[in-house]
Amino acid sequence: QKEVEQDPGPLSVPEGAIVSLNCTYSNSAFQYFMWYRQYSRKGPELLMYTYSSGNKEDGRFTAQVDKSSKYISLFIRDSQPSDSATYLCAMSREVSGGGADGLTFGKGTHLIIQP
Amino acid sequence: DTAVSQTPKYLVTQMGNDKSIKCEQNLGHDTMYWYKQDSKKFLKIMFSYNNKELIINETVPNRFSPKSPDKAHLNLHINSLELGDSAVYFCASSQFSGSPYEQYFGPGTRLTVT
Repeated sequence: QKEVEQDPGPLSVPEGAIVSLNCTYSNSAFQYFMWYRQYSRKGPELLMYTYSSGNKEDGRFTAQVDKSSKYISLFIRDSQPSDSATYLCAMSREVSGGGADGLTFGKGTHLIIQP
Repeated sequence: DTAVSQTPKYLVTQMGNDKSIKCEQNLGHDTMYWYKQDSKKFLKIMFSYNNKELIINETVPNRFSPKSPDKAHLNLHINSLELGDSAVYFCASSQFSGSPYEQYFGPGTRLTVT
């Protein structure tokens, strides 16, 4: 079983729809959960960052983390054609003494918003 | 202003050659990373440096050698290139204290080995 599972899609929805993107993971040590957006031939762009369980909202984006189920979600409201991209979930452990651990990524979901 | 920049953007070379990729960040971060994105778009950590010291070294062939001359720069040197090294290499940076998990990525270097 991979550490992080993410449906690669493609996921195609009409403009204005609510989009739900999800990841599951197996490593209970993960404490930090991120969502990145990657346009074709570009670097990943950090969208949302959440620590432990709970919700976080930023404009049209809402990130949810359910550590008991090892399940994270990203919701996009009022989706726009410019939201068409690959969305990558990423996770990291808490490192003793602070510091930075490498991120473990899902394979990404290719999202298409139809005008 | 570009936050994390990489050079070159594209690199085409033959098997057996040695090549380097450079990364610079102007975010004032003290931790930098190299990631590899393979043909299936899977991103995987290779190395991490904090204040010029290596802190993460995943299972990567020793043909890959990172070097950090200062905390704003992290270079990747690859010896004896192989076909399987073809990928997109991303540099990233973050701040050790505060939000080390907020990593900001560069635009990538697309390496093609023929």
